[in-house]
Amino acid sequence: EPEVTQTPSHQVTQMGQEVILRCVPISNHLYFYWYRQILGQKVEFLVSFYNNEISEKSEIFDDQFSVERPDGSNFTLKIRSTKLEDSAMYFCASSSTRGDSPLHFGNGTRLTVT
Amino acid sequence: GENVEQHPSTLSVQEGDSAVIKCTYSDSASNYFPWYKQELGKGPQLIIDIRSNVGEKKDQRIAVTLNKTAKHFSLHITETQPEDSAVYFCAATGYKLSFGAGTTVTVRA
Repeated sequence: EPEVTQTPSHQVTQMGQEVILRCVPISNHLYFYWYRQILGQKVEFLVSFYNNEISEKSEIFDDQFSVERPDGSNFTLKIRSTKLEDSAMYFCASSSTRGDSPLHFGNGTRLTVT
Repeated sequence: GENVEQHPSTLSVQEGDSAVIKCTYSDSASNYFPWYKQELGKGPQLIIDIRSNVGEKKDQRIAVTLNKTAKHFSLHITETQPEDSAVYFCAATGYKLSFGAGTTVTVRA
């Protein structure tokens, strides 16, 4: 069964550094998402992306965050200047349609900001 | 935006017993309600979903019910097994998916 893949599985970075988290969504999916999960807390929506542009973003997704689909397969999340509170699991997801279709999640990237 | 409340936060059951997790949502426009299971070190995996035009859906030992009037939906796991131990999340969406806070289910052998 096709799956969403994320790299790296674990990223350690120093405060103030830039990080790029990478995702390869399921190939025939058109909608892409990033979610965040701080340890022991709920999965929080960050951003959705369709047709090469952001379709919705949450309050968490401020100017320090950006997303890009640089080619036909990758979907990236960039954090320009990381803060300690950015430490979390970041999950990429994709779906074939918006709304009432299942989101398929990757296994996440654990970001640790020191 | 959508607000999803989930209870209980933890649930311990004896193997073979049933487990029930309940959720409520706030946005009456939400029309899709998936349930995800998250095992340690992995991303959420869809286990069952229900749409607003259906009141109940069953898949082997798992069933979901939806009460649109009351904005309640529930997950029922029957004949629980140790491999059912995980964190379960309910979610609701009309436009974007909003998750509940999760229920840590422990099945005691």
